[in-house]
Amino acid sequence: DAGVIQSPRHEVTEMGQEVTLRCKPISGHNSLFWYRQTMMRGLELLIYFNNNVPIDDSGMPEDRFSAKMPNASFSTLKIQPSEPRDSAVYFCASSLHLVESEFFGPGTRLTVL
Amino acid sequence: AQSVTQLDSHVSVSEGTPVLLRCNYSSSYSPSLFWYVQHPNKGLQLLLKYTSAATLVKGINGFEAEFKKSETSFHLTKPSAHMSDAAEYFCVVSHSGGSNYKLTFGKGTLLTVNP
Repeated sequence: DAGVIQSPRHEVTEMGQEVTLRCKPISGHNSLFWYRQTMMRGLELLIYFNNNVPIDDSGMPEDRFSAKMPNASFSTLKIQPSEPRDSAVYFCASSLHLVESEFFGPGTRLTVL
Repeated sequence: AQSVTQLDSHVSVSEGTPVLLRCNYSSSYSPSLFWYVQHPNKGLQLLLKYTSAATLVKGINGFEAEFKKSETSFHLTKPSAHMSDAAEYFCVVSHSGGSNYKLTFGKGTLLTVNP
């Protein structure tokens, strides 16, 4: 298995632009997680899905952030409009079930100028 | 409520010497505990996990951790450090109740291995 796949690996954009991050979880995994990692705040859970349904989005910082999971093999995290303080590494992770070990993707490094 | 405290932000050891990365947790419920490792510019990789079975948990790459409920600790150890162990390590506590799920990460401990 290729593991969790994220794209793009690096994204540089200007303030105000829309950014879409993509994730393909490990096949057969039922739970998917989006995290953000910064030096200041460490790793933060933004949102997680179970069986394609968003369960808890309380970690999403603002309404500018939205996430979807249209099917079991694909999820997106969208920021619209983006701001410089959104610059971070965004990780997607998947697990077979909730509370099982999570497998992390390589991350997307986002820079908003 | 649950929380995780990694007691050292940075640990430096010499190659071949033991590694000890300390983690204390608090949880209102019986927690699951994990250690993850993150190498530079990489995603997180699971080292080991505790889920109320044996208190001494063996993981990959020679790491192990012992769950001590009386001390609310889950310290990570390795008998002999290798240069490739240099990375950041995260202690994580999770709790699940019904459809709710809560995963809390520690701030991380940066391990430096000197030749």
